Amino acid sequence: RKEVEQDPGPFNVPEGATVAFNCTYSNSASQSFFWYRQDCRKEPKLLMSVYSSGNEDGRFTAQLNRASQYISLLIRDSKLSDSATYLCVVKASGTYKYIFGTGTRLKVLA
Amino acid sequence: NAGVTQTPKFQVLKTGQSMTLQCAQDMNHNSMYWYRQDPGMGLRLIYYSASEGTTDKGEVPNGYNVSRLNKREFSLRLESAAPSQTSVYFCASSEVFGQGNTEAFFGQGTRLTVV
Repeated sequence: RKEVEQDPGPFNVPEGATVAFNCTYSNSASQSFFWYRQDCRKEPKLLMSVYSSGNEDGRFTAQLNRASQYISLLIRDSKLSDSATYLCVVKASGTYKYIFGTGTRLKVLA
Repeated sequence: NAGVTQTPKFQVLKTGQSMTLQCAQDMNHNSMYWYRQDPGMGLRLIYYSASEGTTDKGEVPNGYNVSRLNKREFSLRLESAAPSQTSVYFCASSEVFGQGNTEAFFGQGTRLTVV
């Protein structure tokens, strides 16, 4: 089993739609959680950290469920510019390693 | 704001050739990383350096060596390139404060083709 698993997609959604991605992780000692965005042939960039209480940044909402060991990303009012691959990243306490999921590809259609 | 800088951006090698990928960060981070990214595989950790003077193997270290030259610089060396090392390589850096963690910041990547 992979340490971090994501549905690869692609998710094809119309502009203005709401879309949600889930990511599961296997290491219960995981302590830090992030969503990164990666555009084609570019480096990953932080979209948002994920906090235990959940957090929101504009149209983006991240949630953490420790009991079920998954994190989620909700994108409201999708824009064409949201088209990208979204990477789930997990880091265990006491380690220096960031573990990446394979990413979920989103295409927002006009 | 340079952040993390990698050189070169593109490289084509012949099988058996050697090369070094350079990485430098100007954020005064203690930790640095080398990842490779292949289609369908996601980013896989090759080596990392938790702090200056230390290096450790990641998930896929075979065929690579690293040097943490100083706090700013972390290089990745391929001694004898193989076609299986064709990939996109990313360098990253981060800082850890106590039990907290910051995100990792990435360089723009090196696209390496081994023929």
